[in-house]
Amino acid sequence: GNSVTQMEGPVTLSEEAFLTINCTYTATGYPSLFWYVQYPGEGLQLLLKATKADDKGSNKGFEATYRKETTSFHLEKGSVQVSDSAVYFCAGNSGGGADGLTFGKGTHLIIQP
Amino acid sequence: GAGVSQSPSNKVTEKGKDVELRCDPISGHTALYWYRQSLGQGLEFLIYFQGNSAPDKSGLPSDRFSAERTGGSVSTLTIQRTQQEDSAVYLCASSWRLRDRGFGDYEQYFGPGTRLTVT
Repeated sequence: GNSVTQMEGPVTLSEEAFLTINCTYTATGYPSLFWYVQYPGEGLQLLLKATKADDKGSNKGFEATYRKETTSFHLEKGSVQVSDSAVYFCAGNSGGGADGLTFGKGTHLIIQP
Repeated sequence: GAGVSQSPSNKVTEKGKDVELRCDPISGHTALYWYRQSLGQGLEFLIYFQGNSAPDKSGLPSDRFSAERTGGSVSTLTIQRTQQEDSAVYLCASSWRLRDRGFGDYEQYFGPGTRLTVT
């Protein structure tokens, strides 16, 4: 079956630092990959997605590139803000949108001013 | 427009009781998903519906769990004879299916969840 592995936190950074949250996946076929974010007290929101190899998803200054050769989808941001403090989940499905998402365990990101 | 809504937002129940959790998807979304979020297990996929049909129920944790969807809209997740290990946040999501829109946009939109506590 599918699996998603991401670095577990908490990850604590200072404001304006560079962020990388690693995510790797195993799947049969060609999954679509997603990063979801859960801000304190709020529901899960889609942050960005990529549906095929070499696609780059981007949103709110965050980026992730679907690397088929390394089965990775690492999340990056050049300069984090306090408002980026949240839990970030990497997820994938088997493509076609037919079935549920397989999530990583989540990474709690804390940005200090 | 309105997002995915779930009710109740919080439910406290005694061990052994049955509970029903409700999900109202975004209007027009044909696919509906149930997930469970717990400290020990993270986010687990439970079941999905395409229309009123659930093609694969193997993600449900036990036979005490069941789900149905009527009219291609509202869904209920029922847990019978609740146990303490059922305590979790139950999340519902909805989406277009791929072939509804041609390409690619099957983003799942999540509801706020129902926090279930079994005492």
